[in-house]
Amino acid sequence: NAGVTQTPKFRILKIGQSMTLQCTQDMNHNYMYWYRQDPGMGLKLIYYSVGAGITDKGEVPNGYNVSRSTTEDFPLRLELAAPSQTSVYFCASSRTGGGNTEAFFGQGTRLTVV
Amino acid sequence: QKEVEQNSGPLSVPEGAIASLNCTYSDRGSQSFFWYRQYSGKSPELIMFIYSNGDKEDGRFTAQLNKASQYVSLLIRDSQPSDSATYLCAVKDDSWGKFQFGAGTQVVVTP
Repeated sequence: NAGVTQTPKFRILKIGQSMTLQCTQDMNHNYMYWYRQDPGMGLKLIYYSVGAGITDKGEVPNGYNVSRSTTEDFPLRLELAAPSQTSVYFCASSRTGGGNTEAFFGQGTRLTVV
Repeated sequence: QKEVEQNSGPLSVPEGAIASLNCTYSDRGSQSFFWYRQYSGKSPELIMFIYSNGDKEDGRFTAQLNKASQYVSLLIRDSQPSDSATYLCAVKDDSWGKFQFGAGTQVVVTP
């Protein structure tokens, strides 16, 4: 009963490097999300997807890219890492976009850019 | 800019007492509201959701929604040390399926 799985759990990047945060869900959910959480702050939406092939920007998309080629996978790409991208990243999924369907979260990826 | 506001705390609550958490939101058209609990270093987990005006109870937790005043609250009865966590209020945009979160209220239950 995996739910939402994120890899890696921890990563240290040097300024200017790139990486991909992986996210996969096995609940056949249509909606998927990437959030970042800075210390003492709530979750800020980076990108979201309403289904395979469809993605859209959230509140803080600059410096990130996503793709959604399958229902299960929603990777987040960081290009040219900057210290401001040091954060905890959460992937989440939801069965539908409407009503009382909750978001299920992965375990998070703690990223440090030095 | 749609906003979800919460007092950051920390809210210190004696063991056995009631913890009261509040959340206000700016989008009058919002219909679905969620409370998540997040332990330090962990991911958020759902406590309960509410979408009708009034109260909804689940065990020691009660969510209260007042759409006219645009606030949603969470009561934790008989608070236990295991309730010490950050509680996140989330408002769902039913048109786009996006969740907007408040900054969270840290609750500390003292024995």
